[in-house]
Amino acid sequence: ETGVTQSPTHLIKTRGQQVTLRCSSQSGHNTVSWYQQALGQGPQFIFQYYREEENGRGNFPPRFSGLQFPNYSSELNVNALELDDSALYLCASSLSTEQFFGPGTRLTVL
Amino acid sequence: KQEVTQIPAALSVPEGENLVLNCSFTDSAIYNLQWFRQDPGKGLTSLLLIQSSQREQTSGRLNASLDKSSGRSTLYIAASQPGDSATYLCAYSGAGSYQLTFGKGTKLSVIP
Repeated sequence: ETGVTQSPTHLIKTRGQQVTLRCSSQSGHNTVSWYQQALGQGPQFIFQYYREEENGRGNFPPRFSGLQFPNYSSELNVNALELDDSALYLCASSLSTEQFFGPGTRLTVL
Repeated sequence: KQEVTQIPAALSVPEGENLVLNCSFTDSAIYNLQWFRQDPGKGLTSLLLIQSSQREQTSGRLNASLDKSSGRSTLYIAASQPGDSATYLCAYSGAGSYQLTFGKGTKLSVIP
């Protein structure tokens, strides 16, 4: 059984650019959640997708958007990058209540 | 705003010692509580999940308890080892939501 995978591992962008992060959920999991973790902080919920529909959103602006595909993989898109967007972005998949996290994508915005 | 507090923020213990990590939360209507381990710069590894109807869960040297009435959970680690060194995070989901609300974590160092 393959766990949650994320790509890329690391990414460096400049202010104002756009970025797309990808997540493959664990086999059979139909729900994907995205979290942002700033240095020294706990992860903050961005949004969740269930069967290709957004199923809840945290306190993040509209320039954070997402997609979930029929195979339940997912993308996180961030437009107009700001310096404060520098963080570890975590994807988690679930079938019921327990969430399983991927290794994360480290985004640095210069 | 619902919050999760983890105390202490950092803990250093000699190898072999038993230890307790604390987590408190303000939402009385939690659905479940999950403990995670995070190694530096890495993702989260799920350690234990406690449903709201349960009081504790055990896995190997780890035991997690949940007291909804007092808004507290503890993670007990027996016979600590240097490989246990990591940041431990607790998180809960509220009723009707799979969104996890996290604490800032406790950074554990186990000294050989």
